[in-house]
Amino acid sequence: EAGVAQSPRYKIIEKRQSVAFWCNPISGHATLYWYQQILGQGPKLLIQFQNNGVVDDSQLPKDRFSAERLKGVDSTLKIQPAKLEDSAVYLCASSRTGGTGELFFGEGSRLTVL
Amino acid sequence: QKEVEQNSGPLSVPEGAIASLNCTYSDRGSQSFFWYRQYSGKSPELIMSIYSNGDKEDGRFTAQLNKASQYVSLLIRDSQPSDSATYLCAVIKNNNDMRFGAGTRLTVKP
Repeated sequence: EAGVAQSPRYKIIEKRQSVAFWCNPISGHATLYWYQQILGQGPKLLIQFQNNGVVDDSQLPKDRFSAERLKGVDSTLKIQPAKLEDSAVYLCASSRTGGTGELFFGEGSRLTVL
Repeated sequence: QKEVEQNSGPLSVPEGAIASLNCTYSDRGSQSFFWYRQYSGKSPELIMSIYSNGDKEDGRFTAQLNKASQYVSLLIRDSQPSDSATYLCAVIKNNNDMRFGAGTRLTVKP
């Protein structure tokens, strides 16, 4: 079974530029999560999708972050414009259904904002 | 108060010792609790889940839950150098989203 795929693995941008991250979850997993993990901290939930609907985006900075999950499969997370404090690893995870706790994480996308 | 708090560490134990990791949570309605392990530069991976009060054992790992005290712990017996990692406590809230603690870094010294 293929795991959660993410790209790009690394991205370096200047502040105020934009960036997009892509995630392809495990086949058949209905729930998809985007987490932000700043160095030395635990993952912070940005947004949770159930199929193509948003379950929770209460911690997503909506003035600069946006996310979509088209057709309930792949997802894209966008940041525009980026700030220095957005430097982090962006983790995508999926699970069969929400609430089970067994999340499968991708390798993450490391963003550096200069 | 943070939703999920862990003893900040770092924690260092000798090989073969018991490592004890602690976590408290703020939402009394939480029902599901998890421990994830994260090696440096890698993504988290699930090692234990616990849903009811008491102990749950899986090999060298034991998770303990006390809902009245809003407390979860993880014990690692016979610690090995390969157990050196950051351990993340995670809690599922009522709306099914998972919140993580900041993690405790464990080092097992040979």
